[in-house]
Amino acid sequence: AQKITQTQPGMFVQEKEAVTLDCTYDTSDPSYGLFWYKQPSSGEMIFLIYQGSYDQQNATEGRYSLNFQKARKSANLVISASQLGDSAMYFCAMDRGGGFKTIFGAGTRLFVKA
Amino acid sequence: EAQVTQNPRYLITVTGKKLTVTCSQNMNHEYMSWYRQDPGLGLRQIYYSMNVEVTDKGDVPEGYKVSRKEKRNFPLILESPSPNQTSLYFCASSWGTSLGNEQFFGPGTRLTVL
Repeated sequence: AQKITQTQPGMFVQEKEAVTLDCTYDTSDPSYGLFWYKQPSSGEMIFLIYQGSYDQQNATEGRYSLNFQKARKSANLVISASQLGDSAMYFCAMDRGGGFKTIFGAGTRLFVKA
Repeated sequence: EAQVTQNPRYLITVTGKKLTVTCSQNMNHEYMSWYRQDPGLGLRQIYYSMNVEVTDKGDVPEGYKVSRKEKRNFPLILESPSPNQTSLYFCASSWGTSLGNEQFFGPGTRLTVL
């Protein structure tokens, strides 16, 4: 069965430090896409970064990078130079079945300390 | 402004009283989807639509109906709501169903069924 696992319910990081949020996935599809979304306390869902299963290089978007290890089926999000505004819930998600269906992990709540 | 709108934002109702949550997008997106978010479970897909008059079940479709008569609108219908449908609901849209299209989310609808 296809599944996304985020094993860290909550994490703390000191402001200006880097932090890695873990995501592992399980799928038998050869073609899939992996996403990270941010949900601040205000509740909206914000797209952060995308990695395709056939992409050779790890995706980067500003302070966000995705550490994609296909053999391990992991797609960890790395946030560099954490800011107080990074405090939020973070969800890993996977497109499957030609992009029609999406599954989400349970999320990781990140707290950035001043 | 490009956006996905949902109405109402908050709703308290009683068991068995039919309700509709509206969703509209102004980006001419082909793909639309409904999710529910519950603590510890992340987001779970209820229904999705690849285009007008084309819909399919997600992972948790029981107790819900949808329709896609116009490209911009994708209402979620609860014919006979029950307390286990108390949740935070998100509508989302994207350009298409190929991999790599991030989803744009509405602000969410918090539903309480008494």
